[in-house]
Amino acid sequence: AQSVTQPDIHITVSEGASLELRCNYSYGATPYLFWYVQSPGQGLQLLLKYFSGDTLVQGIKGFEAEFKRSQSSFNLRKPSVHWSDAAEYFCAVGSGGYNKLIFGAGTRLAVHP
Amino acid sequence: GAGVSQTPSNKVTEKGKYVELRCDPISGHTALYWYRQSLGQGPEFLIYFQGTGAADDSGLPNDRFFAVRPEGSVSTLKIQRTERGDSAVYLCASSLAGDEQFFGPGTRLTVL
Repeated sequence: AQSVTQPDIHITVSEGASLELRCNYSYGATPYLFWYVQSPGQGLQLLLKYFSGDTLVQGIKGFEAEFKRSQSSFNLRKPSVHWSDAAEYFCAVGSGGYNKLIFGAGTRLAVHP
Repeated sequence: GAGVSQTPSNKVTEKGKYVELRCDPISGHTALYWYRQSLGQGPEFLIYFQGTGAADDSGLPNDRFFAVRPEGSVSTLKIQRTERGDSAVYLCASSLAGDEQFFGPGTRLTVL
């Protein structure tokens, strides 16, 4: 069965520091992969997606993610975190051809000034 | 409208009551999805509509849950005989077929 694991429940970084959020997936075929961000009181917003092609994907707000098939991973990175990046981040895999999304449990990011 | 809207934003009900949650998708989006997000968890898929028909309802937890989309636009998620375990945020998303899903702000359901 398809599944997504986000090993880190909470992460705290200092403003200006680099960030990497981990995501591992289990999926039989070539996956469609997504990262979403959810701020308090806000809906889920898509940061980036991987369907095929270049394994390094650029997204909004300065985020990027790298698809590594051999490790079944799709880690999210940002070189310099801003206080406004504090939020919950969800990795998801899309299945069924219509992108029924299977989400991980999320990683809550706190940013220290 | 500019985005997906959901009403009400909050719903408090008593155990055993019936509730309806509404989703207005982005105009022209043929695909509509419902998800449920329990506290501290990621969203969990409930049902997917392509047009008026439910193409995949495999995520509905039991027969107390039902959803409709009679004209291929607005959708209503219906929950009968609510239980305390139904308390969660119910999210709706819409998309052009196979493309990025745009999520609404959700309806927070509390069953007392």
